[in-house]
Amino acid sequence: KAGVTQTPRYLIKTRGQQVTLSCSPISGHRSVSWYQQTPGQGLQFLFEYFSETQRNKGNFPGRFSGRQFSNSRSEMNVSTLELGDSALYLCASSPSRTFNRLETQYFGPGTRLLVL
Amino acid sequence: SQQGEEDPQALSIQEGENATMNCSYKTSINNLQWYRQNSGRGLVHLILIRSNEREKHSGRLRVTLDTSKKSSSLLITASRAADTASYFCATAPAAGNKLTFGGGTRVLVKP
Repeated sequence: KAGVTQTPRYLIKTRGQQVTLSCSPISGHRSVSWYQQTPGQGLQFLFEYFSETQRNKGNFPGRFSGRQFSNSRSEMNVSTLELGDSALYLCASSPSRTFNRLETQYFGPGTRLLVL
Repeated sequence: SQQGEEDPQALSIQEGENATMNCSYKTSINNLQWYRQNSGRGLVHLILIRSNEREKHSGRLRVTLDTSKKSSSLLITASRAADTASYFCATAPAAGNKLTFGGGTRVLVKP
């Protein structure tokens, strides 16, 4: 099976702009999670979707949003970008056959976002 | 805030030596997972240990879990230069679906 793919791989934006990142999970995986990784804060959970429903959300401002489509592909959007949003954004998919249980995560290569 | 705290933050060893890193967590878990990350790339899943398991092996990896102490350890035996990476523990809660990562241990294996 193909792995998790993320597009774009690199992105440069300026403050105040918005950005949309895309993630295609492994075929058959219904759970998609997003994480932000920065040198200062480490890996932080953004949100998780299962069958188009957001099941859980991390402690990020409302500028961070996401969605999942019927084919399990997911997008995350960050509006009104700030310098501190510069990070590696990682997407992960999971078989997660049980609705309320999180199993092994399979990560994509990430999108590196630089906000100038 | 991070559920898992890892110790040490960094580790430097010679090829062939063993590397041990520890992870402590605070709340009840369903499972604990270890991941490896090479230099700012995606994470690779190494091993998952469930809360009712005490030890698990996978190749040169050995993971232990002590739920009474809320801690886990990852042992890499006979390390290789290719093991140079950051290693993260992540906890999946007893209920719910939020995976929480520790701060990671940076391992350098010198040839």
